[in-house]
Amino acid sequence: GAGVSQTPSNKVTEKGKYVELRCDPISGHTALYWYRQSLGQGPEFLIYFQGTGAADDSGLPNDRFFAVRPEGSVSTLKIQRTERGDSAVYLCASSLVGGGAITDTQYFGPGTRLTVL
Amino acid sequence: DAKTTQPPSMDCAEGRAANLPCNHSTISGNEYVYWYRQIHSQGPQYIIHGLKNNETNEMASLIITEDRKSSTLILPHATLRDTAVYYCIVRGDNQGGKLIFGQGTELSVKP
Repeated sequence: GAGVSQTPSNKVTEKGKYVELRCDPISGHTALYWYRQSLGQGPEFLIYFQGTGAADDSGLPNDRFFAVRPEGSVSTLKIQRTERGDSAVYLCASSLVGGGAITDTQYFGPGTRLTVL
Repeated sequence: DAKTTQPPSMDCAEGRAANLPCNHSTISGNEYVYWYRQIHSQGPQYIIHGLKNNETNEMASLIITEDRKSSTLILPHATLRDTAVYYCIVRGDNQGGKLIFGQGTELSVKP
């Protein structure tokens, strides 16, 4: 079946602009996760949704970052007043159950490469 | 959360077994060992996970030592397409949903 999809695959923006990154999870998956990956580093957790609600947003770096999942399926990561340091690959993952279940496997999308000039 | 230590890079000849080690000496009793890999310009791909018994699936085998302080991911017949960064992750029930990635091991499979 279809995996996790993310759009756009690449986004180039100018410093100070607003951007939205979209994630379509695997159908039926309850939980959705956002991670950020800088060059040469492993992915870093940003936020996790259980259904429509953000169960853990402890990884969001500051209040310029915000994410929503209004219908419990598609999610949008929103970044205001972008800075050059926000340049990274933004990864989305989904899992069937969520709830912090240890054996609930996360499946990742291909990521959106964000470049802030 | 238990930390993991992996060598930064390894080479393997095509067709040979690739054995990727991971040290997790502070792992606690209810924490699982997960392995993901990330091929260049793609998202991480789940490989396998285990608690204390050895596990095998169509992709790899996971060998966990009896004291659970280390593990080895085995790709039995490595191909060029197995070239990737391999992440060993320890996951417990006190982390919520998050996966905590380290630097991983960059495996290069050479012809």
